[in-house]
Amino acid sequence: DAKTTQPNSMESNEEEPVHLPCNHSTISGTDYIHWYRQLPSQGPEYVIHGLTSNVNNRMASLAIAEDRKSSTLILHRATLRDAAVYYCILRDRNAGNMLTFGGGTRLMVKP
Amino acid sequence: KAGVTQTPRYLIKTRGQQVTLSCSPISGHRSVSWYQQTPGQGLQFLFEYFSETQRNKGNFPGRFSGRQFSNSRSEMNVSTLELGDSALYLCASSLESGRGNTEAFFGQGTRLTVV
Repeated sequence: DAKTTQPNSMESNEEEPVHLPCNHSTISGTDYIHWYRQLPSQGPEYVIHGLTSNVNNRMASLAIAEDRKSSTLILHRATLRDAAVYYCILRDRNAGNMLTFGGGTRLMVKP
Repeated sequence: KAGVTQTPRYLIKTRGQQVTLSCSPISGHRSVSWYQQTPGQGLQFLFEYFSETQRNKGNFPGRFSGRQFSNSRSEMNVSTLELGDSALYLCASSLESGRGNTEAFFGQGTRLTVV
């Protein structure tokens, strides 16, 4: 499976934008880039996904590099509720719904 | 719309016993996946079922098994429990078998403690 590399932790101030990076240099043409987050004491929660183009939804934006070897999850205005572990995951379109989680980035939000 | 329901939420078992965990997916979802989360290994994929058939299997011993019923509800079973099986077991449901672009919805998990 293609692997992703994320910083172990990041800190942000409340109401400021947050850019969470992810490297996936071995990404294949059939891999989608997914982001999930896990709040304390909860199961993971879907955030966003993309293939080649940048994507926006109500939760976040996903910026994908032109060569697809890296991506950035953007939270436009961090809130205390956004404090969580964020996982960047590559999903092969031929591998069913299996998600391979790495260590993720623990985001801390300061008031 | 009801979310993914896992029962029980908490469970304490003794080494050597077996345990069955249950997952009810979101209505209309036919794919159910199971994950184990521990502090040391993080989130690890166990297996996926789609339309009562196991589609993918993670790297776990044969003591871990599962099944899916015709109503898409799924159960996973762990036999001959070991202390290392203590973990949060998470179930995720998806609408279809997956082409990489579907989202997974997770339940709150079952916290299993083996003593």
